[in-house]
Amino acid sequence: DAGVIQSPRHEVTEMGQEVTLRCKPISGHDYLFWYRQTMMRGLELLIYFNNNVPIDDSGMPEDRFSAKMPNASFSTLKIQPSEPRDSAVYFCASSLPGPSNQPQHFGDGTRLSIL
Amino acid sequence: AQKVTQAQTEISVVEKEDVTLDCVYETRDTTYYLFWYKQPPSGELVFLIRRNSFDEQNEISGRYSWNFQKSTSSFNFTITASQVVDSAVYFCALSEARNRDDKIIFGKGTRLHILP
Repeated sequence: DAGVIQSPRHEVTEMGQEVTLRCKPISGHDYLFWYRQTMMRGLELLIYFNNNVPIDDSGMPEDRFSAKMPNASFSTLKIQPSEPRDSAVYFCASSLPGPSNQPQHFGDGTRLSIL
Repeated sequence: AQKVTQAQTEISVVEKEDVTLDCVYETRDTTYYLFWYKQPPSGELVFLIRRNSFDEQNEISGRYSWNFQKSTSSFNFTITASQVVDSAVYFCALSEARNRDDKIIFGKGTRLHILP
């Protein structure tokens, strides 16, 4: 079975550019989560969706960040304009409905570097 | 409020030694779930185990074992006869059933080095 698929695996861009990260959850998983991982802050939950609807975006750092889930098999996390402090590994995860007792299955992450 | 503490930031042991990773949690809920994840050097996060608050039985899976003690709010993870491939960052996590916000709270992780 295919796991959570993220693209790109690596992204290097200059500050001020728009960055779009993509995620395909596991088929049948109703929940989708976006995380950011840095050495300083560890794993931070940015936003999550249930049945394509954003439920909690309180972790989104600022208005430069936006996320969408137009359908059950695709989500994007966009940063516009990007800044060097956005450099991190961004993970997407999905889970079955539980609501809270289901493990989250993570993609391989996107390593983002903003120069 | 829910909280997960992994006090050991980094541990180094020699191969074949046993090692225990500590996890202490805080929750007001009576129904909750605990998880362990592994993040090897390649970077992906791998789910290892889930335990619900009503099941205090210890779990063993090969060289891995988990000791859940509600009395001390701990969910410790032991690797027996460690191997170099066990080198990774290990995260303990908690979610509350009553919360209904479906979030999992992760600890800061413990970086484990297994030395050959």
